[in-house]
Amino acid sequence: GQQLNQSPQSMFIQEGEDVSMNCTSSSIFNTWLWYKQEPGEGPVLLIALYKAGELTSNGRLTAQFGITRKDSFLNISASIPSDVGIYFCAGQLDDKIIFGKGTRLHILP
Amino acid sequence: DAGVTQSPTHLIKTRGQHVTLRCSPISGHKSVSWYQQVLGQGPQFIFQYYEKEERGRGNFPDRFSARQFPNYSSELNVNALLLGDSALYLCASSLITGGPGYTFGSGTRLTVV
Repeated sequence: GQQLNQSPQSMFIQEGEDVSMNCTSSSIFNTWLWYKQEPGEGPVLLIALYKAGELTSNGRLTAQFGITRKDSFLNISASIPSDVGIYFCAGQLDDKIIFGKGTRLHILP
Repeated sequence: DAGVTQSPTHLIKTRGQHVTLRCSPISGHKSVSWYQQVLGQGPQFIFQYYEKEERGRGNFPDRFSARQFPNYSSELNVNALLLGDSALYLCASSLITGGPGYTFGSGTRLTVV
């Protein structure tokens, strides 16, 4: 079945630093999605990507849909304390969303 | 507007029991999906329903079943519970099927002892 490999598993950064995480897949997806999940909540959609090569921003977040359609990355610039959480990449095939295992972001005081 | 609401928020069951989880989609949303999220993992797709018909099923045993009602709310049923069924069960709703606009609820935390 489809699998997504997301890295890194966790990150410890200083407030104000930039963050980069990525995701690779054994399968091609038509849509790549990035979600954030905070404790006690469901995942919240941050960015959706629809075309190979597409680069999309949402405030301090930037994500790209890889040319091969098998990878994607998410960058967060100038991190702030409320960026703490688990970030999931996900690929969508029709009605099914396949999630990565997540990147847990910690921000050091 | 209310988001996706799930009930109960927490539940403790004994091995072998049956459980029913409930989900109310955002008003106007006709598509409901169910996901299982085991601690430390990403959510895994269980079922998707659109207009009361099953449109997709993940790799879960037949002990898992679901249905969607005329008001588009949904139930997830799990029979003969196993310890490994302990997880956060998430419901997501969308206006249409196949689009990226799925909104997730906060989930039901199921603990099987």
